[in-house]
Amino acid sequence: QITLKESGPPLVKPTQTLTLTCTFSGFSLSTSGVGVGWIRQPPGKALEWLALIYWDDDKRWSASLKSRLTITKDTSKKQVVLTLANVDPADTATYYCARLTGDLRDSFDIWGQGTLVTVSS
Amino acid sequence: QSVLTQPPSVSGAPGQRVTISCTGSSSNIGAGYDVQWYRQLPGTVPKLLIFGNTNRPSGVPDRFSGSNSGTSASLAITGLQAEDEADYYCQSYDRSLRGWVFGGGTKLTVL
Repeated sequence: QITLKESGPPLVKPTQTLTLTCTFSGFSLSTSGVGVGWIRQPPGKALEWLALIYWDDDKRWSASLKSRLTITKDTSKKQVVLTLANVDPADTATYYCARLTGDLRDSFDIWGQGTLVTVSS
Repeated sequence: QSVLTQPPSVSGAPGQRVTISCTGSSSNIGAGYDVQWYRQLPGTVPKLLIFGNTNRPSGVPDRFSGSNSGTSASLAITGLQAEDEADYYCQSYDRSLRGWVFGGGTKLTVL
């Protein structure tokens, strides 16, 4: 069974750095064609893709957030970590991590339950 | 503003057929990148509904179908059921942005 689970602080102050961890099981991030991505959803709003890391450590970032994002992986721990610097109340959202697989034409086939992060002083 | 444009809402009666459009550009759908569709039931996690424009993952009923033409894609739902009431999102890859993009979402109401 493939699962992903996000973890991180529920509350962050403006200007701080948000660190989120995606812990996954049931697949390997060293398998060709596999990636783990982060997607967020502000309350009542649409999904927004943030970043993705591939099995070969290739990384992609949202153009609008690139300067604030970093993404890393620890294959042995089965974790992917996303950091978002200099947060603002507009970053308040549910943050999801999801597996991307080439087997399903690069779709996000399995999603974590999401973690709600509120940015407020 | 989302890179992929969807109608904010659609509606239909039980048993009817509805379609949801997703309009992109020459740097995403028009460039031949695959379109995926996701369904998000109220208060739940998005779930993959269609991948690679027309393919259904295991377990998704054949009432759901995807198509695309030019710079647009569509999701069709036949035999509408009350439990289909949800938000639907299209997604593709954009070569200019070098990343994945989602539509703004469409809320389906079953009358």
